[in-house]
Amino acid sequence: NAGVTQTPKFQVLKTGQSMTLQCAQDMNHNSMYWYRQDPGMGLRLIYYSASEGTTDKGEVPNGYNVSRLNKREFSLRLESAAPSQTSVYFCASNDRGLNYGYTFGSGTRLTVV
Amino acid sequence: RKEVEQDPGPFNVPEGATVAFNCTYSNSASQSFFWYRQDCRKEPKLLMSVYSSGNEDGRFTAQLNRASQYISLLIRDSKLSDSATYLCVVNPYSGGGADGLTFGKGTHLIIQP
Repeated sequence: NAGVTQTPKFQVLKTGQSMTLQCAQDMNHNSMYWYRQDPGMGLRLIYYSASEGTTDKGEVPNGYNVSRLNKREFSLRLESAAPSQTSVYFCASNDRGLNYGYTFGSGTRLTVV
Repeated sequence: RKEVEQDPGPFNVPEGATVAFNCTYSNSASQSFFWYRQDCRKEPKLLMSVYSSGNEDGRFTAQLNRASQYISLLIRDSKLSDSATYLCVVNPYSGGGADGLTFGKGTHLIIQP
């Protein structure tokens, strides 16, 4: 009954460091998404994967890369972290198209100093 | 161009009162609509989908006005546990593509005892 699992839950990075945020879902969903949420900005789409083997840029992809490792897993990588990437990151998944909403993971709170 | 707009609030409402908030969207071709609830420092969770004919789920009623391009959420007999941020969410794509829902920035609701 896990749904969407994100790791880590919290992370502090120094400017220039790299890290990968992990996301896995056990609902056999085809589509997966990475969002960031900042105060006053709402949720903004970073990257998405409509199905295994495909990835596409969202609204704010600069500074990020993604990998859809298999149907379950969709990771987000920061190659060289910047303070502007301090945010809360949410992974989400869904199936049957956008008419059915998303299931979100519990989020990763990232601080870049 | 703001695709989904909400009054950020906060709405301070006494327990037991009825409260309503609206959201407007800019893309007239938008296909599906949702209200999500987000508690402080938690992930968004689907509250209800919004259907063209309007729909009700217990104390919650959602309505869609396509002509005026707005969605509303009505909460009756409000409870302390209803305190949260309510996100208006729109699928702006008529083709049913998987490239992401559009989120409003949320309306903050505080139910006071």
